[in-house]
Amino acid sequence: DTAVSQTPKYLVTQMGNDKSIKCEQNLGHDTMYWYKQDSKKFLKIMFSYNNKELIINETVPNRFSPKSPDKAHLNLHINSLELGDSAVYFCASALGALVDFGPGTRLTVT
Amino acid sequence: QQQVKQSPQSLIVQKGGISIINCAYENTAFDYFPWYQQFPGKGPALLIAIRPDVSEKKEGRFTISFNKSAKQFSLHIMDSQPGDSATYFCAALKETSGSRLTFGEGTQLTVNP
Repeated sequence: DTAVSQTPKYLVTQMGNDKSIKCEQNLGHDTMYWYKQDSKKFLKIMFSYNNKELIINETVPNRFSPKSPDKAHLNLHINSLELGDSAVYFCASALGALVDFGPGTRLTVT
Repeated sequence: QQQVKQSPQSLIVQKGGISIINCAYENTAFDYFPWYQQFPGKGPALLIAIRPDVSEKKEGRFTISFNKSAKQFSLHIMDSQPGDSATYFCAALKETSGSRLTFGEGTQLTVNP
């Protein structure tokens, strides 16, 4: 009965590969997000979707492409992975100002 | 630019002591100020939050103090416990802008037994 879930928990891959992270929320929230937490633990928003529509797109390389098949799911696809993409990626969902985070996906690019 | 600044970066407190973390913001359009607690390997979890029309909010051992004129807010943890050891993030958002959170840099709190 996890509210916001992500898979996989850990992702280790080589430079140049393409990978995806999946996110699902069962809270009935209309808004979903991807946040990135860097090695210094700084959290920054990447994308936001509301009812499958992109509403926030921060200055993120276009190698990152979010996809929302329905309002309960928001996946993140990353092309041509680079060393600097290594981070923890958090999915989140919101009802009004209340934002719930998933457990995170630790991406390591070697 | 960093719209929410947080200090200190790290804090060590003895069990039973008071932990105080401070934040300052720039954007006066922010209308919701949450604090998140993050344990290693976990996602941030909402701890307590306040709106700018209130100067203080208390939930158990956790209190937020808010100073709208100074654009500052702080988290006080009373009777700090070893189980409170975690990273704490202040944040701010404007609800009508998609509830996009702007985070402070985080404070690593260690409570010694």
